[in-house]
Amino acid sequence: AQSVTQLDSHVSVSEGTPVLLRCNYSSSYSPSLFWYVQHPNKGLQLLLKYTSAATLVKGINGFEAEFKKSETSFHLTKPSAHMSDAAEYFCVVNTGGFKTIFGAGTRLFVKA
Amino acid sequence: DAGITQSPRHKVTETGTPVTLRCHQTENHRYMYWYRQDPGHGLRLIHYSYGVKDTDKGEVSDGYSVSRSKTEDFLLTLESATSSQTSVYFCAIKKGEDYGYTFGSGTRLTVV
Repeated sequence: AQSVTQLDSHVSVSEGTPVLLRCNYSSSYSPSLFWYVQHPNKGLQLLLKYTSAATLVKGINGFEAEFKKSETSFHLTKPSAHMSDAAEYFCVVNTGGFKTIFGAGTRLFVKA
Repeated sequence: DAGITQSPRHKVTETGTPVTLRCHQTENHRYMYWYRQDPGHGLRLIHYSYGVKDTDKGEVSDGYSVSRSKTEDFLLTLESATSSQTSVYFCAIKKGEDYGYTFGSGTRLTVV
C-alpha cells in the first residue's frame, strides 16, 4: 500500500540555523514526490518536486530535498531559516494516475 | 493565487440548505480537484475532473456533487449541508500527472 509519513508534527528552529523536515514514503511504483508549504489562511504552494530526474532537487526560497530510494526518504532542508519560513509543510506522493497521498504536515516554528 | 480563484472565500449556511462553491482557472489545465482540509485529517479528495463533463469521486464524496461544463469552471455542490461539512475547501488544478498542483486560496464554509 502507498503511504507517506512525515516524521515530525512540529519542528522548532532559531532564525539562521538549518531546517530539516523529514518525510518517508512507501510506494510500489516509482513515485513522483512533492513538497508544499501552507502559510496561515492560504492555499498550499508548491516548493519543489522530484520526478525521477536528479535525486537532489532545488526548490523555491532556498529549499531543497534529496530523494533516497534505499531509505525511501525525501527530506526537505534549508541551510538557514528565515522568520518567513514559519508555516506548515506537506510531503506529497503521487503514485500514478489520480492517486495522490498527502502527509499529515509538519509545522515549522522559527524563533528570533 | 495566480490562475485560480475560488468563490466565495467565506460562507456561513444553515443545515439542510444547498451550497455551491466555485473554482475558476485561467490556465487551461485539464485536471481540476476539490479537497477539504480538516484538523487531524489533512487534505482529503472529494471529487476530481479530467476534462469537461468528465468527473469522478474521491475518498470523501458522499454528500457532494460536482459539475464541469467548461474547462475553466469546476463547481462543488453540497446537496444538503450538514455540520460535518464545516471545513476549508480547496480547489486545485494540475497540468499533468507528474506536475504539481496549483491550489486556490480556499473557501471557509461553516454550517450552523
